[in-house]
Amino acid sequence: DQQVKQNSPSLSVQEGRISILNCDYTNSMFDYFLWYKKYPAEGPTFLISISSIKDKNEDGRFTVFLNKSAKHLSLHIVPSQPGDSAVYFCAASAGIIQGAQKLVFGQGTRLTINP
Amino acid sequence: EPEVTQTPSHQVTQMGQEVILRCVPISNHLYFYWYRQILGQKVEFLVSFYNNEISEKSEIFDDQFSVERPDGSNFTLKIRSTKLEDSAMYFCASSGQGVSGYFGPGTRLTVL
Repeated sequence: DQQVKQNSPSLSVQEGRISILNCDYTNSMFDYFLWYKKYPAEGPTFLISISSIKDKNEDGRFTVFLNKSAKHLSLHIVPSQPGDSAVYFCAASAGIIQGAQKLVFGQGTRLTINP
Repeated sequence: EPEVTQTPSHQVTQMGQEVILRCVPISNHLYFYWYRQILGQKVEFLVSFYNNEISEKSEIFDDQFSVERPDGSNFTLKIRSTKLEDSAMYFCASSGQGVSGYFGPGTRLTVL
């Protein structure tokens, strides 16, 4: 099941520069997309989300871009900081059943910020 | 900041034994979930729960699995007869209306 794909298993970025993490999806029924950050021995932590009616959502240093025609989304982190080093998961949801939101996750991208 | 908690952090069991994984969701959330992540693989949805019943479940969530909200605060996942392939990190999550899921730290289940 490859409905959500993160093709880069790892990414290394210099501190202060922009980090761009990419995610592709195949299911056109997905209407809500999320990014989670995960440190070792912790659960995923919600970062930012975007509805399919938008193409951009910004929260501080984090911006998510959605290109529905390409079925592609990206997370931009600028400026990147050492504390941003973690595994980043893209997730998608296709509608809500009784208010509950089932998430389909990508494989994750390990981001390393170098000082 | 409110958080989802899970116990135990690590559970080791023998194949065929029953295990119960426990979660305390965020108190004003209404929707509860279990996900799992087998080592090196994706985080996978198992089940969602609302209003004391299952909203949706995945193919993984077969008759060996069950969920329960025995009181106003706990949410449990039971595996009746564990298999080697059940070894994974199990994450509990909860969400409110229009709020994205908050995940707990996970329980590492090791089946020997």
